This record gives sequence, C-alpha cells and structure tokens, in this order.
Amino acid sequence: GEDVEQSLFLSVREGDSSVINCTYTDSSSTYLYWYKQEPGAGLQLLTYIFSNMDMKQDQRLTVLLNKKDKHLSLRIADTQTGDSAIYFCAESRTGGFKTIFGAGTRLFVKA
Amino acid sequence: DTGVSQDPRHKITKRGQNVTFRCDPISEHNRLYWYRQTLGQGPEFLTYFQNEAQLEKSRLLSDRFSAERPKGSFSTLEIQRTEQGDSAMYLCASSPMRQGPPSSYEQYFGPGTRLTVT
Repeated sequence: GEDVEQSLFLSVREGDSSVINCTYTDSSSTYLYWYKQEPGAGLQLLTYIFSNMDMKQDQRLTVLLNKKDKHLSLRIADTQTGDSAIYFCAESRTGGFKTIFGAGTRLFVKA
Repeated sequence: DTGVSQDPRHKITKRGQNVTFRCDPISEHNRLYWYRQTLGQGPEFLTYFQNEAQLEKSRLLSDRFSAERPKGSFSTLEIQRTEQGDSAMYLCASSPMRQGPPSSYEQYFGPGTRLTVT
C-alpha cells in the first residue's frame, strides 16, 4: 500500500541544523517531495528528488534519499526562526498525478 | 504572477446544506487537483483534472461530492447535504504538463477553503 510517515515534532535552536525524516512504503515511488506550510498559508514546494538520485542540494536545503530503506530526509542548514512551519514529505509515481503526503513534521525554531 | 486562488477562504454552513468552492489555477497550468486536509494531517487526494477531463477520483470522494472543470480553466467542488465530517480545509493545486524528461509533477497550492459544518 501507499503510506508516508514522519515524526510529528522537531525543535532546534536558531543557527543549528534541522533534520526532518520520512519513510515511505511504495517501492514504485519515482518522485519525492518536501513541502512547507506556514500558518494560514497553502503548501509551498521546497524541493524534490527523483528516485534515481541519492542527494540533492539547494542552498540551505539538502535532501538525502536511501531508496533501499525507503528513507528520505531534509536537512536545513543554519535554521532560522522563519523556518518554523510544518514540513510535509510526499511521493508520487511516474505518470502519477496522485501525490501521497505524510502527516507533516512541525518544526519549532528557538531563538 | 497571481498564483492559485480559491474562493471563498472560509465557509460556515449548517448540516444538510450544499456548498460550492471555486479554484482558479495558474493560467498556463493544465493539471488541477483537489485535496482535503484535516487538522494534524497531510493533504488527502480527492480528484484530478487534466484540462477539462476528470481522470481520477479518490474513494474518499463520496456521491455527495462532485467536481467540474468545464472549460479546462477554473474548477468547482460541490458538496451536497454536508455532514459534520466534511469539516476540513479543501485545497486546490495546479501543475504544468512539462515536455521531455525529467518531468516532476510539482504542484502549486492555493491557500485553501476552510469549511465548517455546524
């Protein structure tokens, strides 16, 4: 079946790195995404990675994919208070319009 | 760039009433999606349009729910005979159909319509 799981909360100090983890069950997953949701706002795509990649870096964001273990992580370097939000892991398949989302990880950044 | 817009942003209705929500996608996007999000959960897929064709409906979409995209531009989601369990945030997203590899299906979300059924 299709399932995406994430831990619910993460608290870090400003300036530290944040690592948000996600596991998925669908071995047919081709695209894996990280979305950010701030209070009262819609989801914003942060980054995505294809299943044939191990890592993708985009400024302060680093995505690591372990396809064997079906584990995805998002590292935010030099975390800022503005990074406080809910982060959703999601997956879809090739040709797939249906995206499966995790329940989200709420990131708290302490000043 | 106006982004994806949804109307209304909030709707309070009494159980048994019908409600209709509208979504205006980003103008050049031919794919449109509806999701439902309840508190503490991620978005759950409801339905998908490619242009005006509705290509997929989730089993979550009961007979009381109907979605249309008549001209391949804006879309409406109607809920008939609302129930308290329908209370949720209804999200619309759109995406372009990219040509050639790789295509990523990234989706651009609207702010959502929050429905409260009393």
